[in-house]
Amino acid sequence: EIVLTQSPGTLSLSPGDRATLYCRTSESVTTNYLAWYQQKPGQSPRLLIYGASNRATGIPDRFSGSGSGTDFTLTISRLEPEDFAMYYCQQSGNSPWTFGHGTKVEI
Amino acid sequence: RLQESGPGLVKPSGTLSLTCAVSGGAIRSIHRWTWVRQSPEKGLDWIGEISQTGSATYNPSLSGRVTISVDEDKKQFSLKMTSMAAADTAVYYCGRLYNSGWFRHFDSWGQGILVTVSS
Repeated sequence: EIVLTQSPGTLSLSPGDRATLYCRTSESVTTNYLAWYQQKPGQSPRLLIYGASNRATGIPDRFSGSGSGTDFTLTISRLEPEDFAMYYCQQSGNSPWTFGHGTKVEI
Repeated sequence: RLQESGPGLVKPSGTLSLTCAVSGGAIRSIHRWTWVRQSPEKGLDWIGEISQTGSATYNPSLSGRVTISVDEDKKQFSLKMTSMAAADTAVYYCGRLYNSGWFRHFDSWGQGILVTVSS
């Protein structure tokens, strides 16, 4: 199965900062099948980015995704208080679909 | 909208049965209905999915223990997992795997149900 490695494990930032989160896959993943999710405590994951760079419905444009092959990036241009959460990347290119272990963005 | 239901406590070696009710849209669609679980030890772990034709695919790590089925009349799909052990303690989510043929991702999730395996 494809292993997704996210870095850093924790990102300590302040509101207004830029956050850059990384996701490396153990095999090349077609960009169409790479997604990012946000999860807050006690909530289910929420789709942020699909197809590596497409924002899901209702997602603010401060969130952007990029990358190809085995290296993908999620960028939050200016952190808002509600953006402090866990972020997961996920691939659906090769079954079984797999998730990274997440990056925690904390204040 | 998706809503899980089922017992929150399962005995070791027992069988877990969960149901996910689908509302606000058709259950018969090109997308796939899926189960994902989350634990502190394993993180997010895809269990399996079922298509509109009733064809199910499972994570090989759980193969043989899992059955996913769909009931179109009741607009719900279900998960059965046998031989439950403490390591299966997790929050179980039902979800929809958007599958247009061009993109594929989990675009909708239930609120999750905590399942504890304990005697």
